[in-house]
Amino acid sequence: EPEVTQTPSHQVTQMGQEVILRCVPISNHLYFYWYRQILGQKVEFLVSFYNNEISEKSEIFDDQFSVERPDGSNFTLKIRSTKLEDSAMYFCASSEGQGKETQYFGPGTRLLVL
Amino acid sequence: AQKVTQAQTEISVVEKEDVTLDCVYETRDTTYYLFWYKQPPSGELVFLIRRNSFDEQNEISGRYSWNFQKSTSSFNFTITASQVVDSAVYFCALRNNNAGNMLTFGGGTRLMVKP
Repeated sequence: EPEVTQTPSHQVTQMGQEVILRCVPISNHLYFYWYRQILGQKVEFLVSFYNNEISEKSEIFDDQFSVERPDGSNFTLKIRSTKLEDSAMYFCASSEGQGKETQYFGPGTRLLVL
Repeated sequence: AQKVTQAQTEISVVEKEDVTLDCVYETRDTTYYLFWYKQPPSGELVFLIRRNSFDEQNEISGRYSWNFQKSTSSFNFTITASQVVDSAVYFCALRNNNAGNMLTFGGGTRLMVKP
């Protein structure tokens, strides 16, 4: 069964450093998403991406964040100048497209900023 | 604005008991989608079910059943004859048809099933 994959599973970084989280969505899916979950809290939407551009973003997704689909399979989230409060689990998700509303999530990347 | 409330933060049951997880949502849209996801201790989010606002039929899948009631804006999830492997955090989520593709999650309910 096709699934969303994410790398790395864990990332530790120093405050102020840049990190890139990688995702490979399900191959025939057209919509891609990033969510985050601070430890013990709810899952929060960051951004959605369709047709090589951001279709929607939340207030959390400020200039510190960017997304990219550098090739036909990868979807990345870049966090510039990380802060302590960026420590969270970051989930990538994908969905087929219009009328196919279910978002399937990857296993997550646990980011720890020291 | 849309909102999902899961009032039960934590539930503890003994194996084989039935348990119901509550979910109440708020939305101004007439077309929307409701979801349940399971987050086991390993941390991933596992899709369980999607429901469209125009389909109020309840659904049963094995030991799982869902009760969707538009009149009370609720989408409750029942596990029958719970098992230790059901121990997880369960999230209810909402997507409005006119609010892009973002999912709004509830705070989650941690279910602990003891042997």
